Amino acid sequence: DQQVKQNSPSLSVQEGRISILNCDYTNSMFDYFLWYKKYPAEGPTFLISISSIKDKNEDGRFTVFLNKSAKHLSLHIVPSQPGDSAVYFCAATNFGNEKLTFGTGTRLTIIP
Amino acid sequence: DSGVTQTPKHLITATGQRVTLRCSPRSGDLSVYWYQQSLDQGLQFLIQYYNGEERAKGNILERFSAQQFPDLHSELNLSSLELGDSALYFCASSGGTAAYEQYFGPGTRLTVT
Repeated sequence: DQQVKQNSPSLSVQEGRISILNCDYTNSMFDYFLWYKKYPAEGPTFLISISSIKDKNEDGRFTVFLNKSAKHLSLHIVPSQPGDSAVYFCAATNFGNEKLTFGTGTRLTIIP
Repeated sequence: DSGVTQTPKHLITATGQRVTLRCSPRSGDLSVYWYQQSLDQGLQFLIQYYNGEERAKGNILERFSAQQFPDLHSELNLSSLELGDSALYFCASSGGTAAYEQYFGPGTRLTVT
């Protein structure tokens, strides 16, 4: 049972434009969400997170939006840069829990 | 550099064998997590240790076991290996017992032939 889903395995975006990566979850107990970025031959790197008490969190070019009623979150990258080309994983947990549940990832390619 | 180290980087072994993967967490982190990433899959949580004690278990096979030592490094032992165990194995660490922001090592790529 895939509790965290990233339905787009890949996404290509022109440099300078906005990249939007989507993530859906089914477990209503999740109340903390994270995005990780992964380059080849490296481990995932924490990017940005959001608590369920917020609907938006911004950090520089990265913004995460959370729609609790739709059980949906998205990561916006503006403007997209070539160095953003990587696999992005969405993850979810709940406060006090001991594990992250990951989606299967979206490969983002930024076209120069 | 996340500060989490994993050895070895690559491991090739035969079916039926046993291997040990090693992880050193970031300085000061008490929690260590192990994840498995098979081809085109997300990261699957295996097990967590906190300050030497097992804290949480995920989809870890009985052929797999782990421990965390007094110096906080951790080892994941995989035995009676099967072809399907070929995967990337990641270790992550965090400062507390709750998952929140975990810092990942570079992973160990295990190939079972």
